[in-house]
Amino acid sequence: QVQLVQSGAEVKKPGASVKVSCEASGYTFTSYDINWVRQAAGQGHEWMGWMNPSSGNTAYAQKFQGRVTMTRDTSRSTAYMELRSLTSEDTAVYFCVRADHCIGPSCSPDNWFDPWGQGTLVTVSS
Amino acid sequence: QSVLTQPPSASGTPGQRVTISCSGGTSNIGTNTVNWYQQLPGTAPKLLIHSDNQRPSGVPDRFSGSKSGTSASLAISGLQSEDEANFFCAAWDDSVNAWVFGGGTKLTVL
Repeated sequence: QVQLVQSGAEVKKPGASVKVSCEASGYTFTSYDINWVRQAAGQGHEWMGWMNPSSGNTAYAQKFQGRVTMTRDTSRSTAYMELRSLTSEDTAVYFCVRADHCIGPSCSPDNWFDPWGQGTLVTVSS
Repeated sequence: QSVLTQPPSASGTPGQRVTISCSGGTSNIGTNTVNWYQQLPGTAPKLLIHSDNQRPSGVPDRFSGSKSGTSASLAISGLQSEDEANFFCAAWDDSVNAWVFGGGTKLTVL
């Protein structure tokens, strides 16, 4: 079955970086985009950006530009999300999700996230 | 503050029908399709409805979605105790070229 399996929980100090992995199985890795979404405790969900595993093209939410990098290793069907200059506000569960390819700057008018990875808790604390 | 607006909570008794609303604007719900997700406590979200009103295989037909203008709704009929979860909506927003979400509605089955 289609599945995304993420790396384990991380604890980081303020100012550090974190890199979360997301291994895909059950489908052709390069046929769909990988998006990253995060959710802080008690908060709503926040989209961080997408990556096309085939081309390596990326688009990041304005809030994270300059601080996030999304990459992939097609030989391992694995996507990565690195977030730098961490603060306590980055403490959250990070999810990778699969979606249809975005075309240019637009990811719609008809697209959706399915499936979601199991989530990776990143805790930023001194 | 979430771009899409949902009520923070909803409730119903077993067997009842419950509706959850999701309000947005012309650049998101008014132009693009709406998706609904169900998130049980401590688990990853699961796709419930996509393309405004389409159920993925395996999702019971008790769940239905609709959209009118810049608002969307999720209806759950024949409420069951296992439906207790957080439900949230999402849509692409053309004005910011980003996915936007509702804040989520916690459903309680009384």
